Order: sequence, then structure tokens, then C-alpha cells
Amino acid sequence: AQSVAQPEDQVNVAEGNPLTVKCTYSVSGNPYLFWYVQYPNRGLQFLLKYITGDNLVKGSYGFEAEFNKSQTSFHLKKPSALVSDSALYFCAVRPNNQAGTALIFGKGTTLSVSS
Amino acid sequence: DAGITQSPRYKITETGRQVTLMCHQTWSHSYMFWYRQDLGHGLRLIYYSAAADITDKGEVPDGYVVSRSKTENFPLTLESATRSQTSVYFCASSESRGGARGDTQYFGPGTRLTVL
Repeated sequence: AQSVAQPEDQVNVAEGNPLTVKCTYSVSGNPYLFWYVQYPNRGLQFLLKYITGDNLVKGSYGFEAEFNKSQTSFHLKKPSALVSDSALYFCAVRPNNQAGTALIFGKGTTLSVSS
Repeated sequence: DAGITQSPRYKITETGRQVTLMCHQTWSHSYMFWYRQDLGHGLRLIYYSAAADITDKGEVPDGYVVSRSKTENFPLTLESATRSQTSVYFCASSESRGGARGDTQYFGPGTRLTVL
């Protein structure tokens, strides 16, 4: 079965420190990978995606993610965390042989950045 | 440009009642989706639509009905609401460009539904 795993329910970091939110996937073929962020009582906002090419993808708000095919991972990173980065983060994947179909989401990771 | 909107934002109903959640997008995107978000489950697909008059089931379709008579609208109906359908419902849309299959999905603000 195709799935996405976010092994940490919560990640705590201090402001100014680097952050990593982990994501691994199990999908046949070469998937397309996404990160979304959800602030309280809001919808999901797109952060970045990997389709092909450079394994390091840069996105909104200073976030980046590294695609690692051998480890089937797509970890979200930021060099210096802000308190305003505190939110719920979702990793999602879509198999590339299924155009226009829905995303498979991980269960989400709550990021808490302390001042 | 409103993008993608959902109404109502909050709804309380009783078991057995019919409820319709509305979704409207102004981008003329081909694809539209309904997800539900529950604690511990992330987002799960209920139904999706590739174009007007084309819909298909997702992971958790039971108890829900959709229609898409116009490209911009994708209503979700709970025919006889149950307590297990208490959830936050998100509508999303994306534009398919044929070969560019990494199309980003854009989400509405959500509808928080409580079934008593």
C-alpha cells in the first residue's frame, strides 16, 4: 500500500536553531512530493514540491526540502527557525503515473518554536 | 481574486439530517477534491472530480455524495449525517496540464462540521 510517514508527532526547537521535519514515503515509481503548512483554524498552504531535477528544493518562507531517493525521504528543513514557523506540517505524495489524482498525506507534525 | 472558498465555515447539525458543504474556486481548475481531516489520520480523500460531470471515489466515500455541474463548484452532501462524520472538511483544486503531473493542490479554509 502506498503511504507517507511522518515519524514525529511533534518537533520542538529554539528560535534561531535549524529545524528538520522528517518524511518518508512508500510509493511505486517516482513520486511527486509536497510539503504543506497549516496554521490554527486555517487551510493548508503550499510550501514546496519536488518533481524532478535538483534534489534540494527551495520553497516559501525560507523552507527547503531534500529528496533522497535511496532512503525514500523528503525531509523539510530551515536553517534558522522563527516563532512564527510554529504550525502543523504535512508531507504529501502523489504517484507520477496518476495524473490529477489526490495526494496521500502523512499524519502531520506539529512544529513548536520557542523564543 | 477569491481563489477557493468554502461555506459555511462552521456547521452544527443533528444525526440523520442532510448537510451540504459548498466549495467554489475562481481559477477554472480542472480538478477538485474533498478531504476530511481527523486527529491522528491526517487528511483523507473523500471524493474528487477531474472535470464537470466527472467524479470518482476516494479513500472514505461512504455516506457522502458529490456533484459537479459547473467547473467552479463542487458541493459535498452528507445524506444522513452521523456522529462519525464530525470533522474538518477541506476542498482543494488543481490545474492539470497534461504532462506536468506535479500540479499543486490549493486548499480552501475548511468547514468545521459537528454532528450531535
